[in-house]
Amino acid sequence: QSVLTQPPSVSGAPGQRVTISCTGSSSNIGAGHDVLWYQQFPGTAPKLLIHGDSSRPSGVPDRFSGSKSGTSASLAIAGVQAEDEAAYYCQSYDSGLSGRWVFGGGTKLTV
Amino acid sequence: EVQLVDSGGGLVQPGGSLRLSCAASGFTFDRHAMSWVRQTPGKGLEWLAYISGTSLETFYADSVKGRFTISRDNAKNSLYLQMDSLRDEDTAVYYCARGFWSGYYTGFDYWGQGTLVTVSS
Repeated sequence: QSVLTQPPSVSGAPGQRVTISCTGSSSNIGAGHDVLWYQQFPGTAPKLLIHGDSSRPSGVPDRFSGSKSGTSASLAIAGVQAEDEAAYYCQSYDSGLSGRWVFGGGTKLTV
Repeated sequence: EVQLVDSGGGLVQPGGSLRLSCAASGFTFDRHAMSWVRQTPGKGLEWLAYISGTSLETFYADSVKGRFTISRDNAKNSLYLQMDSLRDEDTAVYYCARGFWSGYYTGFDYWGQGTLVTVSS
């Protein structure tokens, strides 16, 4: 139902590397529009984690990284920690008919 | 410190109206575009409306076009969302969000805490 497609859930043991995929189309990610990632804990607002496909705002640990290729993007967490257990959303701009700023359905990370 | 404080949510009957507010502080409000985004368990995050810093440009998602109106008062550092003809499916947590500029507005860098709107008879 969401314009961008994410797996509903992923899991990993503490210290493992975890990746979350985000698949779009030629009108959003494939058009070269930036991909952003947000982290959300239950009952709180989303927080910007990655912008410009792979840039981290000040204060975001460097174990979080983003990448993009073609119509897909990925968020990687190197050495996942218990405090990283949260929902993660990808987002991009869409120049088609889907609406301007579009989101993925979210991925729940269990550590 | 950038702060966005959402308010105005509540219980409203189908067909009714509600006005949400977002009080901004910690940045030069009129230099930033703002948006409203909502979140439901079923549909996740959904962008609804955008307004430029000068209010000259507004955009809406098809799902709310003609029913919702975004506005701002730069003198009061406030953002608003007037919601009319509300439907059951408008039940959600509503967030105001500051536009993130990177050559164009690519997304959102700060979010309010959210305000719950429940549409039910």
